Amino acid sequence: EDQVTQSPEALRLQEGESSSLNCSYTVSGLRGLFWYRQDPGKGPEFLFTLYSAGEEKEKERLKATLTKKESFLHITAPKPEDSATYLCAVRVFSGGYNKLIFGAGTRLAVHP
Amino acid sequence: ETGVTQTPRHLVMGMTNKKSLKCEQHLGHNAMYWYKQSAKKPLELMFVYSLEERVENNSVPSRFSPECPNSSHLFLHLHTLQPEDSALYLCASSQGPGTGSYEQYFGPGTRLTVT
Repeated sequence: EDQVTQSPEALRLQEGESSSLNCSYTVSGLRGLFWYRQDPGKGPEFLFTLYSAGEEKEKERLKATLTKKESFLHITAPKPEDSATYLCAVRVFSGGYNKLIFGAGTRLAVHP
Repeated sequence: ETGVTQTPRHLVMGMTNKKSLKCEQHLGHNAMYWYKQSAKKPLELMFVYSLEERVENNSVPSRFSPECPNSSHLFLHLHTLQPEDSALYLCASSQGPGTGSYEQYFGPGTRLTVT
């Protein structure tokens, strides 16, 4: 069964304290891994797509990496405005079409 | 308007009411989706429409009825809901399967409370 697991469930950081979020997956045929950011009361906001092991993408303080079994979202010197829930999703081909399977997310709180 | 919009943003309804959620995308996409998001649970895919044709009904109860009149609009008709249906309902759009680009862009969601 296709599955996505994110850890930790919640993370509290001090401003400037770098860390990483993990997304591990077991799928039959990965067709892309996606990272989203979700603020309270809002829809998820697209951040990155990764397609193959070894690929990396960067945006401001965020860097996403991909291996054959997991992805990491590295946050360098975070600021309070980085506080949000970060969602990981994998794209699989199932039932004749492509669809996304989401993890439960990591709630990040960055304190001044 | 830009991106994906949803109305209403908040909805409180009784178990015997009938209501509809509306989604509109301004991105020129040809696939649209309904998701349910409950607290501390992964997003659950409910329905997928590609080129206005429904391609997935993910074992959703019949009290949820989708409608996609064209590639820019998507509705979710609700009737005789249960309290456990209270959740954030998210609409998303993307280029359709097979076109390569597959990032889904989400609306702000409708917070539904069933009393």
